[in-house]
Amino acid sequence: NAGVMQNPRHLVRRRGQEARLRCSPMKGHSHVYWYRQLPEEGLKFMVYLQKENIIDESGMPKERFSAEFPKEGPSILRIQQVVRGDSAAYFCASSRVDTYYEQYFGPGTRLTVT
Amino acid sequence: GESVGLHLPTLSVQEGDNSIINCAYSNSASDYFIWYKQESGKGPQFIIDIRSNMDKRQGQRVTVLLNKTVKHLSLQIAATQPGDSAVYFCAGGSGNTGKLIFGQGTTLQVKP
Repeated sequence: NAGVMQNPRHLVRRRGQEARLRCSPMKGHSHVYWYRQLPEEGLKFMVYLQKENIIDESGMPKERFSAEFPKEGPSILRIQQVVRGDSAAYFCASSRVDTYYEQYFGPGTRLTVT
Repeated sequence: GESVGLHLPTLSVQEGDNSIINCAYSNSASDYFIWYKQESGKGPQFIIDIRSNMDKRQGQRVTVLLNKTVKHLSLQIAATQPGDSAVYFCAGGSGNTGKLIFGQGTTLQVKP
């Protein structure tokens, strides 16, 4: 029974490049959430998605960041023209449609911008 | 705005003792809370959740207490073990948004 899967686990990008982070939810889960964690800090909500629909993107920076959860395939968090301040751990969580308060997290993608 | 915060950044306990990790929140509209455990280099691991219409919930070796009057919740770990060493986060949410507000985290250190 696979949990939430994220890849890559580590990603190094130069300033100005694009970063694509992927998340596959747990089996039976249809809701996906993305969070960002800076060193020594708690997690900060970014976006909440269902298949083909963004429910809440109140935590997403207005520029350069986008997220999608297509009908087929994983959810993608895309960061364009990365800057050093984007360096962080990005976690994806998933839940069932009726138990949004039980969110299970993946192992995270650690993005380093050089 | 909403906030969720933990009282102590670090808690050190002796193996076998009970641990109590505290958390305060500001949003009285929060209707559920979750405790997570995060080990170094890993994602947060779900421990236990509690709805706002409850004041206590028990799991395996863990108990969460919710005091809505003072907007405070705690996680109690019985007979703490070395494997319990980690950072513990409380998180709160409201409605059906699924958006969790996380506290800063308390590092639990278990001394053998």
